Amino acid sequence: DTAVSQTPKYLVTQMGNDKSIKCEQNLGHDTMYWYKQDSKKFLKIMFSYNNKELIINETVPNRFSPKSPDKAHLNLHINSLELGDSAVYFCASSASPLSETQYFGPGTRLLVL
Amino acid sequence: DQQVKQNSPSLSVQEGRISILNCDYTNSMFDYFLWYKKYPAEGPTFLISISSIKDKNEDGRFTVFLNKSAKHLSLHIVPSQPGDSAVYFCAATSFNTGNQFYFGTGTSLTVIP
Repeated sequence: DTAVSQTPKYLVTQMGNDKSIKCEQNLGHDTMYWYKQDSKKFLKIMFSYNNKELIINETVPNRFSPKSPDKAHLNLHINSLELGDSAVYFCASSASPLSETQYFGPGTRLLVL
Repeated sequence: DQQVKQNSPSLSVQEGRISILNCDYTNSMFDYFLWYKKYPAEGPTFLISISSIKDKNEDGRFTVFLNKSAKHLSLHIVPSQPGDSAVYFCAATSFNTGNQFYFGTGTSLTVIP
């Protein structure tokens, strides 16, 4: 039974398109995150939500808009996709913003052509 | 089902001594393993990796050991320094099964001066 799941696993799309990545956790956690992994394997935090409220919003183009319909879901919508958006995006969750233990999803590999 | 497990949520070590962080995995298809280091309120930073064709990889004070038969890897930090205090995540992937990443839940290391 997957703790943190992401869909889709792979996403290939054209520049200029709009796409969404979904994340769900069944752990009962209050806090969820989106990370972007670049080509050097560095994981950069993008957003964090606690109980559906945005608590971390790093310097990310406003083409990226997270949405948390409930605390078990944190979706990432990307408008006007650019080549540089190609990366692996990871969702994660933790019991609270202060928890050091995080559960990661398997990642969504996005390729923008 | 956690395919990558870090069974010790926390570890305390005296400055100058060796820190050993452990990680177990269940999927024998994994062939590439990574360690990340995370400071509070930041995203994990890539630290060191190892391919399954090796059993050891060293980078300065950091050494990763891989025991494929036991499906176990460990990160050794020697000598430990107070600045090493952070949460360490191990991750595994397989280039043969679509490059999905599986993360452990992290071990919080405290190095006591």
